[in-house]
Amino acid sequence: GIQVEQSPPDLILQEGANSTLRCNFSDSVNNLQWFHQNPWGQLINLFYIPSGTKQNGRLSATTVATERYSLLYISSSQTTDSGVYFCAVEETSGSRLTFGEGTQLTVNP
Amino acid sequence: EAQVTQNPRYLITVTGKKLTVTCSQNMNHEYMSWYRQDPGLGLRQIYYSMNVEVTDKGDVPEGYKVSRKEKRNFPLILESPSPNQTSLYFCASSPRWGVHEQYFGPGTRLTVT
Repeated sequence: GIQVEQSPPDLILQEGANSTLRCNFSDSVNNLQWFHQNPWGQLINLFYIPSGTKQNGRLSATTVATERYSLLYISSSQTTDSGVYFCAVEETSGSRLTFGEGTQLTVNP
Repeated sequence: EAQVTQNPRYLITVTGKKLTVTCSQNMNHEYMSWYRQDPGLGLRQIYYSMNVEVTDKGDVPEGYKVSRKEKRNFPLILESPSPNQTSLYFCASSPRWGVHEQYFGPGTRLTVT
């Protein structure tokens, strides 16, 4: 099956800093999504981005499907951005989303 | 409001006592799926359904059953829960399988003692 690798596994920032999270995947995909899991365990949809670039407030994402990676940018981070960020992909021949192991982000005041 | 709902959100139960976790979506989605999340193992798919009366096994189906009698509902049934089914469970849906965003429910935290 498809492999999904996220980096870095852990990231600690001061409030106001910018960061880039990376997701590499091993095969062609139909779908790529970024999620934020908050401290209560809920998975929040951030982006549906199988290719191209999208922006939503302080967050933006870029997927280069031909090179099999996606980047999530967080600017001017806030303490509420803390949590785990997951990349998930759906391979062209599959029936499910395959999740990466996530990046644990801690934003300190 | 378009959403996926799950009930209960939290449940503590004992080994062997049958339970059902409900999942409902109000978006007329064809595809629905169940995942479990465990520390160190990530999120893994349990079962999925492409449409009404069509279900199939995911990666970790042992000990679970599902049914899809109507489009909006996709309950997860644990006939005889065991402690290794203690986990955080998520239901998801999308308009159709393939090239569509998936929407996740709020999660059900299950503890089996």
